Amino acid sequence: EAQVTQNPRYLITVTGKKLTVTCSQNMNHEYMSWYRQDPGLGLRQIYYSMNVEVTDKGDVPEGYKVSRKEKRNFPLILESPSPNQTSLYFCASSPPGGGNYRGEQYFGPGTRLTVT
Amino acid sequence: QKEVEQNSGPLSVPEGAIASLNCTYSDRGSQSFFWYRQYSGKSPELIMSIYSNGDKEDGRFTAQLNKASQYVSLLIRDSQPSDSATYLCAVKGYYGQNFVFGPGTRLSVLP
Repeated sequence: EAQVTQNPRYLITVTGKKLTVTCSQNMNHEYMSWYRQDPGLGLRQIYYSMNVEVTDKGDVPEGYKVSRKEKRNFPLILESPSPNQTSLYFCASSPPGGGNYRGEQYFGPGTRLTVT
Repeated sequence: QKEVEQNSGPLSVPEGAIASLNCTYSDRGSQSFFWYRQYSGKSPELIMSIYSNGDKEDGRFTAQLNKASQYVSLLIRDSQPSDSATYLCAVKGYYGQNFVFGPGTRLSVLP
């Protein structure tokens, strides 16, 4: 089944404790992206990647890191989480051939993160 | 800072009516426009995309784009209770690879 998976789905952690949220897609997509969703603010793009070893900042990259060592995986790293990073996080991927230009983003199920 | 604005709603319409959702954007260089639907507790899913001025129809959905007014809309004809969801407007620039989403409009279709 073609899908984008994220782990964990729910995470409660404490301020300053490094964490990684994994994202994996099995559709051979080149474009991958991370978003956070907060009430009243909608989806805001954190980082995106056009392909392996090619990443760029979105609108809210502060406090986050990403890496793209393999085409299928795009982990989101919070080196020192803070309470203002409490949010719902979505990973998304787009098919090749300009899929990201057409807006065809396939979203993962989301990760709800709480930082206390 | 590129901005995309939507009325947060909730927008309530009776079953069978036309629901009209609106979106404005600040970046005149934007070239691609999208409507995503998000059910409560679920991921967003793409329902419409539009790239040139005018109307684009797909089933019960019609997207309308007016670049001069920096305005995008989504019409849902014969609204059904299953259309009750939050609708997200998203905009993408020509050269940029990032998407900017609006805050979403919550639609409630009453049986």
